[in-house]
Amino acid sequence: SQQGEEDPQALSIQEGENATMNCSYKTSINNLQWYRQNSGRGLVHLILIRSNEREKHSGRLRVTLDTSKKSSSLLITASRAADTASYFCATASYGNNRLAFGKGNQVVVIP
Amino acid sequence: SAVISQKPSRDICQRGTSLTIQCQVDSQVTMMFWYRQQPGQSLTLIATANQGSEATYESGFVIDKFPISRPNLTFSTLTVSNMSPEDSSIYLCSAAGGWGEKLFFGSGTQLSVL
Repeated sequence: SQQGEEDPQALSIQEGENATMNCSYKTSINNLQWYRQNSGRGLVHLILIRSNEREKHSGRLRVTLDTSKKSSSLLITASRAADTASYFCATASYGNNRLAFGKGNQVVVIP
Repeated sequence: SAVISQKPSRDICQRGTSLTIQCQVDSQVTMMFWYRQQPGQSLTLIATANQGSEATYESGFVIDKFPISRPNLTFSTLTVSNMSPEDSSIYLCSAAGGWGEKLFFGSGTQLSVL
């Protein structure tokens, strides 16, 4: 089964609202990362949270990690039209030399 | 951080031909990877490009179909050989400074095979 599996939902929100998306995984991890992809282009790294961290902030982004539930959430506050993109979580697991990407969440921010 | 230049950005190819995609990183990196992404789908790892040795392929991908070179710590190529329409996809090059670290991505190659 796939690591880093987001809830398979597409979000459509108004500019200024908050967007939340979730990611679950199945094995022990070293860290979990979130990436953004605009229109089929290359992915851009947003934030990395380590297994011993519970919350991390970067600008308008807030990531939480619950290792007991093997889940993470990404919150984008005060969304902008430029936040329209697909968001992927990826996990780095012990004994595995590459990241495992989830399915991705499509977020559309309506101006 | 690292900046990755990937080319071509897109190509339309005929069935049975081959295409080589180039990936240039502006700094030395430990790890380089090649991914494939179908429209609306997640990333599928094709292989890890190893400097000075044969690439490590994931299940379902073979060297004859996707030969990879990595002659040094900043450059890699992926060839899609004997293409068929099923190879139409976005191919992404990525690099990382080490295991578990964040990945930097090229802008991708959108391949269409007729």
